[in-house]
Amino acid sequence: AQSVTQLDSHVSVSEGTPVLLRCNYSSSYSPSLFWYVQHPNKGLQLLLKYTSAATLVKGINGFEAEFKKSETSFHLTKPSAHMSDAAEYFCVVNDGSGNTGKLIFGQGTTLQVKP
Amino acid sequence: SQTIHQWPATLVQPVGSPLSLECTVEGTSNPNLYWYRQAAGRGLQLLFYSVGIGQISSEVPQNLSASRPQDRQFILSSKKLLLSDSGFYLCAWGLGVVRGYEQYFGPGTRLTVT
Repeated sequence: AQSVTQLDSHVSVSEGTPVLLRCNYSSSYSPSLFWYVQHPNKGLQLLLKYTSAATLVKGINGFEAEFKKSETSFHLTKPSAHMSDAAEYFCVVNDGSGNTGKLIFGQGTTLQVKP
Repeated sequence: SQTIHQWPATLVQPVGSPLSLECTVEGTSNPNLYWYRQAAGRGLQLLFYSVGIGQISSEVPQNLSASRPQDRQFILSSKKLLLSDSGFYLCAWGLGVVRGYEQYFGPGTRLTVT
């Protein structure tokens, strides 16, 4: 069965410092992996996705993630945090059930950005 | 371009009252549609999904139901709300493997059951 584990429930950084949000996945086949962001009381927005092309994936707002099959990881990074990056971040994997397109969500990581 | 609408944005309902949340998608055809619930401070729980008109799959047994009367319309209902139904309800659409399993989310409905 497919699953994702977000290793930190809460990450706090200072503005201008790097961001690292960690995600490990488990999958019996080549997965599609995603990072979504959710600001308070808003819907989820797709940051980036990996679908078996380049292992380093660039997304919106300066975020990127690297797919490492040997480590079963898909960590999200950003070189310099902005105050507007404060939000909830979800690592997601497709569940492999064909055309149902169902996704499996991690429990989320709350990113706090301090001035 | 595609857009997804949800309404209402917020709702306060007493225990035992009925519920109807609506979701519509524009700009695409035959999408997969999904209802999620997000309890306070927790992750997303998939409630229902639909791969076509009249086709509804339930992920979690509960007092909620879903219907898809039209291709791009998805409705979440309840006959009698419980306190535990409070949460943030999100509708999403996707095209499955055709678009790499991406899902696109609506703005959500905040439901408070009192």
